[in-house]
Amino acid sequence: NAGVTQTPKFRVLKTGQSMTLLCAQDMNHEYMYWYRQDPGMGLRLIHYSVGEGTTAKGEVPDGYNVSRLKKQNFLLGLESAAPSQTSVYFCASTSAILNTEAFFGQGTRLTVV
Amino acid sequence: AQKITQTQPGMFVQEKEAVTLDCTYDTSDQSYGLFWYKQPSSGEMIFLIYQGSYDEQNATEGRYSLNFQKARKSANLVISASQLGDSAMYFCAMREGPYNFNKFYFGSGTKLNVKP
Repeated sequence: NAGVTQTPKFRVLKTGQSMTLLCAQDMNHEYMYWYRQDPGMGLRLIHYSVGEGTTAKGEVPDGYNVSRLKKQNFLLGLESAAPSQTSVYFCASTSAILNTEAFFGQGTRLTVV
Repeated sequence: AQKITQTQPGMFVQEKEAVTLDCTYDTSDQSYGLFWYKQPSSGEMIFLIYQGSYDEQNATEGRYSLNFQKARKSANLVISASQLGDSAMYFCAMREGPYNFNKFYFGSGTKLNVKP
């Protein structure tokens, strides 16, 4: 029972490089989310998806793009990484039932130098 | 405006005592959910407790209870009989309803330290 799996767990990027974070869930959840966690700021919503083929901006979308070509996968892309994107990134998913919690991946620690 | 506000960046509690972590929220939805998560130093997000906006009774899960005051838009977490293993970061979260795409918003967190 994998739940939500994020790849990779750690990454160091140079400024200007690009990368993609992968989130996969095996619970058939409709909704998926990407968050970043910074000290003192909690988790802030970057982008979210309400279903396959649909994505939308969250609170802090600038500098990120996302895609959800398959229901189980939600990709977060950084086209040109900046030091301000150094953070811990969490993916989460949930079902359409309102009282269902968000299930989280283990997080990706990204450092941009 | 902040959707979720947690005003206590850090708190200390003596082992075996009770502690209340504050949370206020802001939404115009009638149907929403409130959640608390625990994040230990290892980093994973652990779901603790849920309260629905239409629930009349306060939610309880073992040593955790949620003090829900709808009119004041507050959803405080109460941990009874604190244990050393309760030392962690605690996040309050709100799930908005379907008209707002079921988005989850999180507060800035409260770091709880349990003293022996």
